[in-house]
Amino acid sequence: DAMVIQNPRYQVTQFGKPVTLSCSQTLNHNVMYWYQQKSSQAPKLLFHYYDKDFNNEADTPDNFQSRRPNTSFCFLDIRSPGLGDAAMYLCATSRLGSLGQPQHFGDGTRLSIL
Amino acid sequence: RKEVEQDPGPFNVPEGATVAFNCTYSNSASQSFFWYRQDCRKEPKLLMSVYSSGNEDGRFTAQLNRASQYISLLIRDSKLSDSATYLCVASSNSGGSNYKLTFGKGTLLTVNP
Repeated sequence: DAMVIQNPRYQVTQFGKPVTLSCSQTLNHNVMYWYQQKSSQAPKLLFHYYDKDFNNEADTPDNFQSRRPNTSFCFLDIRSPGLGDAAMYLCATSRLGSLGQPQHFGDGTRLSIL
Repeated sequence: RKEVEQDPGPFNVPEGATVAFNCTYSNSASQSFFWYRQDCRKEPKLLMSVYSSGNEDGRFTAQLNRASQYISLLIRDSKLSDSATYLCVASSNSGGSNYKLTFGKGTLLTVNP
């Protein structure tokens, strides 16, 4: 059974039209991450939540926002999508420990911009 | 210099071949390392964690050399199903109890019949 669930799998939106991607987890992990991955590139971390604490990467555009209303859910909001935001968006979770823990990824949402 | 660098690839090998992936990392504070595999248009999936000097899981062997800041992955007796992109990942502390994963760009492997 999937433990990190992303919806939808495929999202098409218009240039400039706000879009929200969702992620839920059944692992009860403290940390939830959002990554952007473009073709033939490594996943790029946008931000992450450690419980309710939000940690933004320095180079994440202001156009990208996130919400985590509870442990299980996390949302990625793109306020005004541009053509350059077309990508796979990956949600991941991890449990905290004294060593870095591996992350568990959802299936991803592939975003297309018209 | 990129934080995590991998062989650019792609690698094309016949079934049954042994293939090695190499990876270097620049952040000496990196504490944990992982190999993920990613199939085309799918999410990365954890293949192996590399916590100490290395470990083996069936046909897969991962090695870590902290002095050289080098990680490797060896696949023996490769199968068609091993065809994927292999991502080298380093974990480092980003403050408090937060850990950040840094991904390499990945190396594409195609195993041919």
